[in-house]
Amino acid sequence: DAKTTQPTSMDCAEGRAANLPCNHSTISGNEYVYWYRQIHSQGPQYIIHGLKNNETNEMASLIITEDRKSSTLILPHATLRDTAVYYCIVRVGYNQGGKLIFGQGTELSVKP
Amino acid sequence: EPEVTQTPSHQVTQMGQEVILRCVPISNHLYFYWYRQILGQKVEFLVSFYNNEISEKSEIFDDQFSVERPDGSNFTLKIRSTKLEDSAMYFCASSEGLAEYEQYFGPGTRLTVT
Repeated sequence: DAKTTQPTSMDCAEGRAANLPCNHSTISGNEYVYWYRQIHSQGPQYIIHGLKNNETNEMASLIITEDRKSSTLILPHATLRDTAVYYCIVRVGYNQGGKLIFGQGTELSVKP
Repeated sequence: EPEVTQTPSHQVTQMGQEVILRCVPISNHLYFYWYRQILGQKVEFLVSFYNNEISEKSEIFDDQFSVERPDGSNFTLKIRSTKLEDSAMYFCASSEGLAEYEQYFGPGTRLTVT
């Protein structure tokens, strides 16, 4: 499984965009980039995922570089409720069981 | 919006006792998972389950652990003889498919072994 590298922690001002980077330089062609977050000890919450193209949903945008070696999760207008640990996960392709391998993630603190 | 549910939310048990953690996955999902998170540590994969059999299991998932889908809706994790180190949050997840389909997690069961 491709490994990911994320900063340990980041701060963001409330109302501003939060840009969370992730490096995944060993990603394979059939591996998806997934983002989850975990607020306190709650169950991980799915945010967004992508393969090659940039993606946007109601929660966030995902920007994947053309070489797919890195990506950025963008929370366009961060609120205090976005304070959480954010996980960037490279997920194995077909016939591999589909497990998610969590790293330590980025602890995002949104401050007033 | 459909969601994964888990019961109980908190289970306290004595060392050596058997526990069963229950999960109700999202109804049209076909792939089921258990993860655990020891306090202060990262989320760890335990087992994946598809078509009534285990697809993959981690080193943590030893002979003390078993999973079952006893009917069309429940998915259970059994720990036969609990140890102190089994104390953790246990999360169930489900998805429609593999890599391109997101997994949805339940709220977790906090297991405390005394």
